[in-house]
Amino acid sequence: QLQLQESGPGLVKPSETLSLTCTVSGGSISTGSYWWAWIRQPPGTGLEWIGSIFYSGSTYYAPSLESRVTISVDTSKNQFSLILNSVTAADTAVYHCARQVGYGSSSFDDWGQGTLVTVSS
Amino acid sequence: QSALTQPASVSGSPGQSITFSCTGTSSDVGSYNLVSWYQHYPGKAPKLMIFEVSKRPSGVSNRFSGSKSGNTASLTISGLQAEDEADYYCCSYAGAYSNVLFGGGTKLTVL
Repeated sequence: QLQLQESGPGLVKPSETLSLTCTVSGGSISTGSYWWAWIRQPPGTGLEWIGSIFYSGSTYYAPSLESRVTISVDTSKNQFSLILNSVTAADTAVYHCARQVGYGSSSFDDWGQGTLVTVSS
Repeated sequence: QSALTQPASVSGSPGQSITFSCTGTSSDVGSYNLVSWYQHYPGKAPKLMIFEVSKRPSGVSNRFSGSKSGNTASLTISGLQAEDEADYYCCSYAGAYSNVLFGGGTKLTVL
């Protein structure tokens, strides 16, 4: 049974950097069939895909966030991470990590429960 | 690129069938058979209910079905049950530039 768990600070100051890690258990992040994604949900609004990474390190990002986002992977720890620079209140959201069934797929078949990150001074 | 358009809320009585719509454009929903649907209980992890327009993952009830016509995808729940009350999101591949788009979500109320 695959499990994904997000971790990181719940409070970030405006203009600073948001950093989250997703730990994958019950399966290998190096499985060739899957990509690994970050998705967020601001309060009262819908889901927003942030970006995805393959175990080799290949990435692709949402155009609206690409200038501020970096996703990286550590296969030795079975983890992947999100860095979002220069945050504002608009980045306040529940951040989920998820497994994506292939590049360009809209299918995310396993998700973490999510972690709330609040941007506030 | 804008998010996919979903009605904010729908409601139905137990036993009824209900259909959710998800409207995109010819650049996303209309161009690819890569639409998926998610059931989300607040505070929980979203669950994949339909992928590639009409396919059900193992373990998902056959009361859930998906379809697409032009730029609009649909999710139908038949034999509505109280446990179906949740938020439902559609998602589509949107090409090499926009990549992946979600809808704003529809809140289902079972009366």
